Amino acid sequence: NAGVTQTPKFQVLKTGQSMTLQCAQDMNHEYMSWYRQDPGMGLRLIHYSVGAGITDQGEVPNGYNVSRSTTEDFPLRLLSAAPSQTSVYFCASSYSNPGPSTQYFGPGTRLLVL
Amino acid sequence: AQTVTQSQPEMSVQEAETVTLSCTYDTSESDYYLFWYKQPPSRQMILVIRQEAYKQQNATENRFSVNFQKAAKSFSLKISDSQLGDAAMYFCAYRSANWGAQKLVFGQGTRLTINP
Repeated sequence: NAGVTQTPKFQVLKTGQSMTLQCAQDMNHEYMSWYRQDPGMGLRLIHYSVGAGITDQGEVPNGYNVSRSTTEDFPLRLLSAAPSQTSVYFCASSYSNPGPSTQYFGPGTRLLVL
Repeated sequence: AQTVTQSQPEMSVQEAETVTLSCTYDTSESDYYLFWYKQPPSRQMILVIRQEAYKQQNATENRFSVNFQKAAKSFSLKISDSQLGDAAMYFCAYRSANWGAQKLVFGQGTRLTINP
């Protein structure tokens, strides 16, 4: 299993540009989520999905869109990038069953918005 | 809403010594899970240890153990016999035990340095 994969690893954008961060998992996990990591603030939840066709907002959703058309993929879209979106982005996935199921994280995407 | 607080931005310890990282949380729920994640310079998030709130026994994983104090809402991580490979950011995280509630709430992180 490849686990959770993210592309690209690093991206530089200009203010106002759009882009999509890709996330895929091959573990048949129902739950997928996006976090951003900023210095001194830990990881904060942007959006999440409990299954194909179902998404919901997390703690910091403004400026980001998501969709979940398949179980495997959960892309994160920035429609008009802003410098405040400079961050490291992590995708994670897990089973939705009860219990402390492990969340598996991707390697992260570092985004710089100029 | 739940919150997680790590009050130690940085910690350092001599190799082979023991270090304890602190974490407190706030919740009105009675059933939940707590986790410690390690993030080395590679940025990969690695699960270190987890604790179910309904279990009174503290979790242990080799050199890693926790001190879970439910009434005090405290969840500290003890690393024994520290090794150079333990150097990383450590994040404490909370998750509700409600069905389908997979969202993790993270603390701010503690950067651990191991001195040879």
